[in-house]
Amino acid sequence: AQKVTQAQTEISVVEKEDVTLDCVYETRDTTYYLFWYKQPPSGELVFLIRRNSFDEQNEISGRYSWNFQKSTSSFNFTITASQVVDSAVYFCALSEGRDDKIIFGKGTRLHILP
Amino acid sequence: DAGVTQSPTHLIKTRGQHVTLRCSPISGHKSVSWYQQVLGQGPQFIFQYYEKEERGRGNFPDRFSARQFPNYSSELNVNALLLGDSALYLCASSFSGRGETEAFFGQGTRLTVV
Repeated sequence: AQKVTQAQTEISVVEKEDVTLDCVYETRDTTYYLFWYKQPPSGELVFLIRRNSFDEQNEISGRYSWNFQKSTSSFNFTITASQVVDSAVYFCALSEGRDDKIIFGKGTRLHILP
Repeated sequence: DAGVTQSPTHLIKTRGQHVTLRCSPISGHKSVSWYQQVLGQGPQFIFQYYEKEERGRGNFPDRFSARQFPNYSSELNVNALLLGDSALYLCASSFSGRGETEAFFGQGTRLTVV
């Protein structure tokens, strides 16, 4: 069965600190896709990244970076030099590629304190 | 280009009533998926439609139904509303209807059942 676990319910850090959001997933498929979404208070889910199961290269986009490790079934997300605008709920998610069904974790609420 | 649009943005209904939520996908996208997000949880998959055919269904009661029109827009219907149906309902569209392409989310419809 597919499952996404985000063990950190809520994190608070002071602005400019680095912060890592953890994500562990479960799937029996060899082909799957992993995602991170950001949900600001307005409610809309903002796509951040998609990674397929055959590409374990880490990715960096500005202050954001993602570490995908199949050996530990983890797909962690790091924000470097955090800013107040990064405050939001972040969701890690999994899709097995047969359809658009996306399995979301419960989310991590991130507070960046000025 | 317009993103995924949902209407209405907010809605208040009484227990036992029915509700219809609407979604217009991004132009060119043939797949529409619906998700329910209750407070403090990640979105839960309800339905996916691709080319007007149901491609996937989540674990929701038969009170929930949906359809997709020839222009790829979609409606989600919920009958006999319960207090527990209060949630943010999110619509997502994608081109291929499979996880290999990005799913873009609308701003959601916030339904309150009283």
